[in-house]
Amino acid sequence: DSGVTQTPKHLITATGQRVTLRCSPRSGDLSVYWYQQSLDQGLQFLIQYYNGEERAKGNILERFSAQQFPDLHSELNLSSLELGDSALYFCASSLNREREYGDSPLHFGNGTRLTVT
Amino acid sequence: AQSVTQPDIHITVSEGASLELRCNYSYGATPYLFWYVQSPGQGLQLLLKYFSGDTLVQGIKGFEAEFKRSQSSFNLRKPSVHWSDAAEYFCAVGFFTGTYKYIFGTGTRLKVLA
Repeated sequence: DSGVTQTPKHLITATGQRVTLRCSPRSGDLSVYWYQQSLDQGLQFLIQYYNGEERAKGNILERFSAQQFPDLHSELNLSSLELGDSALYFCASSLNREREYGDSPLHFGNGTRLTVT
Repeated sequence: AQSVTQPDIHITVSEGASLELRCNYSYGATPYLFWYVQSPGQGLQLLLKYFSGDTLVQGIKGFEAEFKRSQSSFNLRKPSVHWSDAAEYFCAVGFFTGTYKYIFGTGTRLKVLA
């Protein structure tokens, strides 16, 4: 058990809808990373938050947004869903600090499988 | 630009045989190096990591990896594969540029024959 909790495990929704994925990081971890994993695109970095602030953006669509709350849990919001958004969405957390201090591996949740019909 | 290459998309080995999964990276300095394993329907689990020190690192489940600076490689090995090792394996590099960033390879899917 990585200590990272993602809910829900599965989501089935229709095109055009909006969903929210939730992530609780490991206790003590300040950074949250969101990834999308699909068969044809592999593991794609979406966005990173550190202690409530956005720190890095990857291949995140404008229809997607995220935030990290004061209790450090994070939510990924996906709107105007399209068939191509069907994928596994992973949250990972890390102890990252603002200064480099050594290796800081990511710890992944079990993901949310999103199916858009 | 930083990159990670896992040249083998699929690998099939017999149970009890040895295993080596290849990983090459491109980065200006020595990055943080990681191997993860993903079983079907599961998240990625950290197998092992390297930053400095002994270039041969031991991980969980009997895996080890060797960092070779001259080859920019970080290959994963296991002397005797078990059927339960069938999964997808991801190599990743991490580096700090104001914040920690990570790049993942495209993965190698391992099939184990009984």
